[in-house]
Amino acid sequence: EADIYQTPRYLVIGTGKKITLECSQTMGHDKMYWYQQDPGMELHLIHYSYGVNSTEKGDLSSESTVSRIRTEHFPLTLESARPSHTSQYLCASSAGGRGYTFGSGTRLTVV
Amino acid sequence: KQEVTQIPAALSVPEGENLVLNCSFTDSAIYNLQWFRQDPGKGLTSLLLIQSSQREQTSGRLNASLDKSSGRSTLYIAASQPGDSATYLCAVDSGNQFYFGTGTSLTVIP
Repeated sequence: EADIYQTPRYLVIGTGKKITLECSQTMGHDKMYWYQQDPGMELHLIHYSYGVNSTEKGDLSSESTVSRIRTEHFPLTLESARPSHTSQYLCASSAGGRGYTFGSGTRLTVV
Repeated sequence: KQEVTQIPAALSVPEGENLVLNCSFTDSAIYNLQWFRQDPGKGLTSLLLIQSSQREQTSGRLNASLDKSSGRSTLYIAASQPGDSATYLCAVDSGNQFYFGTGTSLTVIP
């Protein structure tokens, strides 16, 4: 049973719109991550956080931004969506070497 | 930088066969290694987590081994079933970041 929740599960949105993808975890994990994954392709780390008020950019350049105001919440925002942002976005959390827990993902389509 | 490689990239087997998936990594200084399963369009489901001090972990028909000194891990699936069809990913925790392999796409034919 997932202890990390992503909403929405699917999103179709027009170009230029601002969107926020939600990610919440109930495990008290200090570390949280956002990955981007195109169909059949590998995961790319776009943002991560090691705790409240800590955010860093990942390996893959992304036009999105994140915030970490509460331990359990790590939302990702796109100020102006473009078709190139169409992808699956996966949120994960971890703590103390106990491995990653992933959410179910948000599949974003920008038309 | 840690590099994680998975071989084979794709595998197709008849139902009932035992199979082995391979994962290799370049830097042996790891905290743990984790195997995941991913179904198309879905998130990653954790299968097994092996700490760096452990040699293997078992869950049901799955057994994962870790040889840190040689930079290798294997995932053994016994008596494969069509429901095992998915992409299997290994990930290495090097302390500051997890590094993912590119995955093995498994198809089990009924």
